[in-house]
Amino acid sequence: GAGVSQSPSNKVTEKGKDVELRCDPISGHTALYWYRQSLGQGLEFLIYFQGNSAPDKSGLPSDRFSAERTGGSVSTLTIQRTQQEDSAVYLCASSFLADGYEQYFGPGTRLTVT
Amino acid sequence: GENVEQHPSTLSVQEGDSAVIKCTYSDSASNYFPWYKQELGKRPQLIIDIRSNVGEKKDQRIAVTLNKTAKHFSLHITETQPEDSAVYFCAASIGRGSTLGRLYFGRGTQLTVWP
Repeated sequence: GAGVSQSPSNKVTEKGKDVELRCDPISGHTALYWYRQSLGQGLEFLIYFQGNSAPDKSGLPSDRFSAERTGGSVSTLTIQRTQQEDSAVYLCASSFLADGYEQYFGPGTRLTVT
Repeated sequence: GENVEQHPSTLSVQEGDSAVIKCTYSDSASNYFPWYKQELGKRPQLIIDIRSNVGEKKDQRIAVTLNKTAKHFSLHITETQPEDSAVYFCAASIGRGSTLGRLYFGRGTQLTVWP
């Protein structure tokens, strides 16, 4: 079946602009996660959705970052007033149950802020 | 919160040899430990996982061991092949409360298998 998909695959934006990143989870998966991977680094947790609610937003690095999930499916991560330090690969994952077990990742969106 | 440390950061082995990557975690409440393989420019792939009620799990050439007392877990790859070359990440999940679902990742190990 289809895996997790993300769009766009690459995004180049100017400092100060807003960007929206999209994630389509595996059909039927109730939980959705956003992570960030900076060059040569591990994965940093950003936010987690259980259905449409986000019980854990503690990983968002600043109030410029927000995310929503509608209809228990697609999620959008928005970064306002982008900064150069926001440059990274943003990865989305989903899992069937809300316990976090067996998270499957999408291909990521590579964000470059110039 | 949880802190996961991973060693070594780089590992080179000859084809056919075994490779071992080790991780430690800080929170004794962690109960789920997945391993991901990430090839260059690709998504992380879940290759094996273990839950805290099990000490060892095997899947063909890959095995994971867990020592809850010492709070460490390891990935073992036997009969390595060049296609095993990738970055491997360990992770841990507390799996309860407000952090349910959050994975805490190690910094990764670059494995290179020489033919």
